[in-house]
Amino acid sequence: DTAVSQTPKYLVTQMGNDKSIKCEQNLGHDTMYWYKQDSKKFLKIMFSYNNKELIINETVPNRFSPKSPDKAHLNLHINSLELGDSAVYFCASSSRDRLNEKLFFGSGTQLSVL
Amino acid sequence: QKEVEQDPGPLSVPEGAIVSLNCTYSNSAFQYFMWYRQYSRKGPELLMYTYSSGNKEDGRFTAQVDKSSKYISLFIRDSQPSDSATYLCAAVSSGSARQLTFGSGTQLTVLP
Repeated sequence: DTAVSQTPKYLVTQMGNDKSIKCEQNLGHDTMYWYKQDSKKFLKIMFSYNNKELIINETVPNRFSPKSPDKAHLNLHINSLELGDSAVYFCASSSRDRLNEKLFFGSGTQLSVL
Repeated sequence: QKEVEQDPGPLSVPEGAIVSLNCTYSNSAFQYFMWYRQYSRKGPELLMYTYSSGNKEDGRFTAQVDKSSKYISLFIRDSQPSDSATYLCAAVSSGSARQLTFGSGTQLTVLP
């Protein structure tokens, strides 16, 4: 069983479109994240949700809107896609009652905006 | 300046070599340090985690932290082709947000 699963794995779309990426974790974790990894492999946090509540919201255009229907799911909706949004997006989860922030990552969604 | 700087590589070594991967950080609030390994087209996975200055060993891997010089390292002994991946260092403060800050990753290739 996949611990953190995200779909789709690949997403190719035109500029200006709206798209969503879904994420689910079956680890019982209470915190979920979205990270963006650029072409140089730099991983940057976008959002963090703890028990469906937004706790981290980095400087991300408001075209990006996370939605957490329950603590096992954190979806990412992107409006009016731009060329610069092309990247790999990773969902992750962790248990915040532990001292360390051990993140479990999904396999990523490679988004290509044409 | 990024809070966590990492030697960009890429690094290519022969099988059996000792590999040294390094990061420096600037934020004194960082208390916990991690190394993640990321295979091609996969998500990062936690490899090593350490809190205090000194060495932590796990099989062929040794994580080293020097808080006085804000320097973290990962050593891989007897490197194998299966170690070929991108290695990301990460740091986290003990504050309430506790979010990880990643280095930019070092791509390692171990040649058979």
